[in-house]
Amino acid sequence: QVQLVQSGAEVKKPGASVKVSCKASGYTFTSYYIHWVRQAPGQGLEWMGTIYPSVDSRSYAQKFQGRVTVTRDTSTSTVYMELSSLRSEDTAMYYCARDWELGYWGQGTLVTVSS
Amino acid sequence: SSELTQDPAVSVALGQTVRITCQGDSVRTHYASWYQQRPGQAPILVIYGKNNRPSGIPDRFSGSISGSTASLTITGAQAEDEADYYCNSRDSSGNHLVFGRGTKLTVL
Repeated sequence: QVQLVQSGAEVKKPGASVKVSCKASGYTFTSYYIHWVRQAPGQGLEWMGTIYPSVDSRSYAQKFQGRVTVTRDTSTSTVYMELSSLRSEDTAMYYCARDWELGYWGQGTLVTVSS
Repeated sequence: SSELTQDPAVSVALGQTVRITCQGDSVRTHYASWYQQRPGQAPILVIYGKNNRPSGIPDRFSGSISGSTASLTITGAQAEDEADYYCNSRDSSGNHLVFGRGTKLTVL
């Protein structure tokens, strides 16, 4: 069965970076896009970016351009999302999800940015 | 514009039918998808494409589109359908996703 398992919760100080992982299993890793979506407390869903593991092509939301980097490791079927220059407004649950329909989601990773 | 507009809140009596809408130019060219999110849980895909339900989604959920408005209809709403519902679609470039702000559904 398809599974996306994310890394654990993180606490970071303002200005730092965070790197969240999303390990895929149960399907051919290189055949499906992986997207990153975040949700601040009490707020809606926000799309951040995507990667197509097969050819390592990436696309990012304009809001996060220059601050977010999505990478992949095909040897471990893992996608990473790194967000830099963190500020308090980046405190959120971060999700990975598969393909453009977002049919499968990871369990979420809570990132807290606090001094 | 790639914005998707949803009503913030909708209510429905138990067993009745409710329609949740998502308005935006992008749904004219890219199908909307719909997600259900219960408190403290990750979102779940309920409708994608023209009107497709993933395995395990009850057939009381259906999707439709008219012009620039996509709709999620729940026919015979159940107590467990009380949740937040989000739509999304690709933007005009086709390379980005955009979400609506979500609709809080209350089942009375």
